[in-house]
Amino acid sequence: TQLLEQSPQFLSIQEGENLTVYCNSSSVFSSLQWYRQEPGEGPVLLVTVVTGGEVKKLKRLTFQFGDARKDSSLHITAAQPGDTGLYLCAGASQGDSWGKLQFGAGTQVVVTP
Amino acid sequence: DAGITQSPRHKVTETGTPVTLRCHQTENHRYMYWYRQDPGHGLRLIHYSYGVKDTDKGEVSDGYSVSRSKTEDFLLTLESATSSQTSVYFCAISDRQGAYEQYFGPGTRLTVT
Repeated sequence: TQLLEQSPQFLSIQEGENLTVYCNSSSVFSSLQWYRQEPGEGPVLLVTVVTGGEVKKLKRLTFQFGDARKDSSLHITAAQPGDTGLYLCAGASQGDSWGKLQFGAGTQVVVTP
Repeated sequence: DAGITQSPRHKVTETGTPVTLRCHQTENHRYMYWYRQDPGHGLRLIHYSYGVKDTDKGEVSDGYSVSRSKTEDFLLTLESATSSQTSVYFCAISDRQGAYEQYFGPGTRLTVT
């Protein structure tokens, strides 16, 4: 059972376009993280959000945590080929003491020149 | 980048043979995790450790065992490999400061024939 649903599963856009990836759940999370993974490598942490309604910006990437801490979105402005990768969201459940994360299945983003 | 290595990086083995994967960290982080990554499933937790000799099961632990005799090493053993265990295996570490950020190793691609 996937507690975190990511959409879309696949996204192909041209360089310079904007895109948004969504991560939704019926569960409340104490924190939510976004990772990017490139082929043959492990996921790399991009950002962590912990407060409902929180918005964080990392250059052209904007991350938002829902007010109820059940969902999140990642928006990329003016995408570049270097943004190509598998984007994963992961949530830490409230009450978990061991730092375990639930991962979404991922969104594959392809940015073509 | 966090100092995490995994060995071997690639392995092909036959059904029924035991296999051990190694994760080594130089960060002195207390928490370590083993995941498997399969298409459409994202990352699924196999086992985790919250200290030397302290381990527990994750959501897909059947057929796997782990050991942690030193802070820096976390071993994953497939007791009798099956074709369904063909996957990419990732190790992650966390110090639990902040909001449970995890840092991943480069992965081991295991093929069971």
